[in-house]
Amino acid sequence: TQLLEQSPQFLSIQEGENLTVYCNSSSVFSSLQWYRQEPGEGPVLLVTVVTGGEVKKLKRLTFQFGDARKDSSLHITAAQPGDTGLYLCAGASVYSGGSNYKLTFGKGTLLTVNP
Amino acid sequence: NAGVMQNPRHLVRRRGQEARLRCSPMKGHSHVYWYRQLPEEGLKFMVYLQKENIIDESGMPKERFSAEFPKEGPSILRIQQVVRGDSAAYFCASSPRAGRNNSPLHFGNGTRLTVT
Repeated sequence: TQLLEQSPQFLSIQEGENLTVYCNSSSVFSSLQWYRQEPGEGPVLLVTVVTGGEVKKLKRLTFQFGDARKDSSLHITAAQPGDTGLYLCAGASVYSGGSNYKLTFGKGTLLTVNP
Repeated sequence: NAGVMQNPRHLVRRRGQEARLRCSPMKGHSHVYWYRQLPEEGLKFMVYLQKENIIDESGMPKERFSAEFPKEGPSILRIQQVVRGDSAAYFCASSPRAGRNNSPLHFGNGTRLTVT
């Protein structure tokens, strides 16, 4: 069974602070996706990282995929109250044949940014 | 989340009743996934279906749970003889017909099942 461990589970910070969320696994994934989920809604994709060592930026969010493709981090600069939400990482596992896959999710990091 | 439609949004059932959850994928998507979410437990994979085929049901409980994705119509997750432990949010997600492993999943807004 492939597991993704996210840390911290809960994070409460003040507006303007920086933060990093971690996603770790003992398994190698073909790609890793980060989602954000707000209360009462489904997760929405933020980014997909595919190549080991890859870094992607999305405004104030920076995503990194580990060299061994087992771990990832999300760094938010100058957090704002609008960043509040549940951040989920998900690893893609490809079925034999290579055309189908499923996502295994971590438990998420619940971020609260206080004004 | 636009495009993947789940209904009902909220469903209340008494113990022993049946729950039927529906999911219409995004247009052009023929891959459907069902996940269950409990507070502080994240999203747990249940089943992966393509039209008229179950690809992977390794996350489904062996009894009382079943899923289908017929040629016409929505995907259905069916829970028979519900128990209190079935109370959770159930999310459906879809991906394109020629899904690649870095294609995102598009999620609906879920069905919140409460068993009383």
